[in-house]
Amino acid sequence: GEDVEQSLFLSVREGDSSVINCTYTDSSSTYLYWYKQEPGAGLQLLTYIFSNMDMKQDQRLTVLLNKKDKHLSLRIADTQTGDSAIYFCAERTPDSWGKLQFGAGTQVVVTP
Amino acid sequence: DTAVSQTPKYLVTQMGNDKSIKCEQNLGHDTMYWYKQDSKKFLKIMFSYNNKELIINETVPNRFSPKSPDKAHLNLHINSLELGDSAVYFCASSQARQGQKRGTEAFFGQGTRLTVV
Repeated sequence: GEDVEQSLFLSVREGDSSVINCTYTDSSSTYLYWYKQEPGAGLQLLTYIFSNMDMKQDQRLTVLLNKKDKHLSLRIADTQTGDSAIYFCAERTPDSWGKLQFGAGTQVVVTP
Repeated sequence: DTAVSQTPKYLVTQMGNDKSIKCEQNLGHDTMYWYKQDSKKFLKIMFSYNNKELIINETVPNRFSPKSPDKAHLNLHINSLELGDSAVYFCASSQARQGQKRGTEAFFGQGTRLTVV
C-alpha cells in the first residue's frame, strides 16, 4: 500500500534471526499488525502492537515500534523452515471501522 | 470450528459470467470485510459491513455487489466478470467500531482464488 512500505524479500539461514521492517505514514494509527501468509493459504494474525508501546514480545516474535520514525519491525528468533512465508505489515486508524492498510508484503525464504 | 469460512476455495469461470463467493463467520463479530489480493500479493480493502449495513465502499466497480443477509454472513456477487477480476478474494471479520481505539484483531478466511478465462 502507498502508506505502508516493506522490503520485498528476505533470505535467512535456519537458526538465525529474521528482521522484517515496515514504515507507515499515518500518525493517527492506533494498532499495527503483522500477518503471515503461507503459500495458498489465508492470512494468519501473528501479533499486533498498540501505538503507545515500544516493544511487544510473544515467544519467538518481537515487535519493535519507533513511533517518531513511524518504523515497525518484526524479529523472528531461531528462524525455522516453517517460517518461510510472506509477512504483511498493516496499520489501522481509529475512524476506519477496523479497515487495515497493508504493506506489499515481505517474502521470507529460510534456507537450511 | 473454522472461524471465517469462504466458499468456494477455487473458482474458474469465463468472461462475462456472474459469480458469487460466500463468507460466514462464527466469531460473533459485528463487522465483516472483503479484501482483494492481486497477482503481486497486494491486499486492498473492497467493502465493509457492520450489522448488515455497508460502511466502507472503496471505489470498487459496481459490478461487485456485497450482500449481508445477517451479521454472520457477507457474500460477494460479481457481474459480467472481466479478466482483471482474477485475484484472491479474502473475507475477514472483527469487532471494530467507528472511532474505536481498542485493538481488535481481524480474522481472515482462507481466500477464494478467482480465475477468469
